[in-house]
Amino acid sequence: AQSVTQLGSHVSVSEGALVLLRCNYSSSVPPYLFWYVQYPNQGLQLLLKYTSAATLVKGINGFEAEFKKSETSFHLTKPSAHMSDAAEYFCAVSDGVGGNKLTFGTGTQLKVEL
Amino acid sequence: GAVVSQHPSRVICKSGTSVKIECRSLDFQATTMFWYRQFPKKSLMLMATSNEGSKATYEQGVEKDKFLINHASLTLSTLTVTSAHPEDSSFYICSAYTPGSTEAFFGQGTRLTVV
Repeated sequence: AQSVTQLGSHVSVSEGALVLLRCNYSSSVPPYLFWYVQYPNQGLQLLLKYTSAATLVKGINGFEAEFKKSETSFHLTKPSAHMSDAAEYFCAVSDGVGGNKLTFGTGTQLKVEL
Repeated sequence: GAVVSQHPSRVICKSGTSVKIECRSLDFQATTMFWYRQFPKKSLMLMATSNEGSKATYEQGVEKDKFLINHASLTLSTLTVTSAHPEDSSFYICSAYTPGSTEAFFGQGTRLTVV
């Protein structure tokens, strides 16, 4: 069984500040890990994914995440927050089989303040 | 990139009626499609997995007679909410997977409101 824990249901940062959204996973097999962003009443947009290649993954909109097996973590970062980054972020894990059935974390609402 | 189209984006229906939501893969063949449900300000919960040409596999606690899933072709899966009630109001999202891909691709979601 797999699970994902996202610490902090709400994160608030100032525009231009570092964004750090935390994600820890549990998986009995080497995981595939994903970060998605969701704007109100919209579907999910893939930010980045880890699929057992490079442990530092760069995604869209300046986001990146580092897979740390020893810490079972896959935290999402962005050096400088922009107002348009305000959204809900979901971390998800897949075991890579079964067509990528995903287990999602509970989500983190990112607020960006002036 | 791969595109998944979900229709309708919003639907309002009366209590007791049924509503059908379509999920189409526009430029690839989806051997597997997933249906998720998202409650307000909550995460996504997997409802069922459907493989083309076979019966859907439902997650524990999901009523298969309530949420009918059909995956009759490699580009189309449908979710029918039968005898809808206000508690079925939610955001429903599909995703589609093709062999060899490292990810499933998501539709835009459907906001269902039952009045």
